[in-house]
Amino acid sequence: AQKITQTQPGMFVQEKEAVTLDCTYDTSDPSYGLFWYKQPSSGEMIFLIYQGSYDQQNATEGRYSLNFQKARKSANLVISASQLGDSAMYFCAMREGLASYDKVIFGPGTSLSVIP
Amino acid sequence: EPEVTQTPSHQVTQMGQEVILRCVPISNHLYFYWYRQILGQKVEFLVSFYNNEISEKSEIFDDQFSVERPDGSNFTLKIRSTKLEDSAMYFCASSDFGSGYIQYFGAGTRLSVL
Repeated sequence: AQKITQTQPGMFVQEKEAVTLDCTYDTSDPSYGLFWYKQPSSGEMIFLIYQGSYDQQNATEGRYSLNFQKARKSANLVISASQLGDSAMYFCAMREGLASYDKVIFGPGTSLSVIP
Repeated sequence: EPEVTQTPSHQVTQMGQEVILRCVPISNHLYFYWYRQILGQKVEFLVSFYNNEISEKSEIFDDQFSVERPDGSNFTLKIRSTKLEDSAMYFCASSDFGSGYIQYFGAGTRLSVL
């Protein structure tokens, strides 16, 4: 079974608009962490935002916020005021457990294109 | 801002040759990882490393692969005898308690096996 599902292979958004990238996850471990990474066309993997399973509030980092709905097992990324530089592949990822060496499991990614 | 550094950015090799991919993790991090991403596919975990030993490895990480921390700063991935299907982007990552165990990735090494 897929641990991380991203149902939107590709998304378009107008510059300056907000966009939501969907992510659902599957785990029976009560302790886990959720991540979003950005991969521009140059290939590097850039950490954007993190949400722990016990965190009471949704994580925010600048224009990025994570809409964490624990009961629904969803962790959607919201990008506000999109910029042309936001065009990239976005990966939702999960770490099961709190052990520091736990691997991160990636979803298939969503390709975001920002239209001027 | 501290970052994970990977060299080379692109490595071309002949099938059957040995390659070593190099990484310099963030300096105060103690946990190290290798992932790979075959073109157009998901990012896959290969191995995690802590305290000079492997913590976990995936089924991809077979006897052809090995990791080493030869000194206080470098972390290497060796592929003993490359196959065509080893062609991929290889990412090194590091983490530590101070960073909330968030794994920070390097820019990757693109390995092309001919």
